[in-house]
Amino acid sequence: QKEVEQNSGPLSVPEGAIASLNCTYSDRGSQSFFWYRQYSGKSPELIMFIYSNGDKEDGRFTAQLNKASQYVSLLIRDSQPSDSATYLCAVNGGDSSYKLIFGSGTRLLVRP
Amino acid sequence: DAGITQSPRYKITETGRQVTLMCHQTWSHSYMFWYRQDLGHGLRLIYYSAAADITDKGEVPDGYVVSRSKTENFPLTLESATRSQTSVYFCASSERNTEAFFGQGTRLTVV
Repeated sequence: QKEVEQNSGPLSVPEGAIASLNCTYSDRGSQSFFWYRQYSGKSPELIMFIYSNGDKEDGRFTAQLNKASQYVSLLIRDSQPSDSATYLCAVNGGDSSYKLIFGSGTRLLVRP
Repeated sequence: DAGITQSPRYKITETGRQVTLMCHQTWSHSYMFWYRQDLGHGLRLIYYSAAADITDKGEVPDGYVVSRSKTENFPLTLESATRSQTSVYFCASSERNTEAFFGQGTRLTVV
């Protein structure tokens, strides 16, 4: 079992719709959760981070964390074609480890 | 310039040769990471480090060696390159539990 799991997609949504990206993780001791966006041929860049259960909003982006279910998600409202990219979920390894593990990423396509 | 830089950006090498990929950061971040990225696998952790002289194996360490004699540098060495090590390699740095910043990546081809 991979430590961080994501659906590879592609997830295709029309422009203006809400895109929902999901991620599950296996280490219950994990403390920090990150969403990165990666355009083709580029380095990953941070979109959101979340440490506590619940929702965290930043502009069109909302990160949701449920530690009991070991689940973290990213919602993108009013999706734009420029949001088309691969979204990577990353999880910090918890108290016993400082490693940062990534999922395999979900490819998002926003249709004009 | 402030930031994290990788060198070289592109490298072609032959099977069996030793190759070293360089990573340098100017933020004095404690934590540094090496990942490889292949189609369908996302970013896979090779090695990571919490401070100078402290390194740990990640998900795919076989065939790689790292060192960290100074906080700002974290070189990755392929002792005897194989074709399966053809990949894009990313170095990253962070403080604990905070955002990791990535270098531009090194595209390595082993022929």
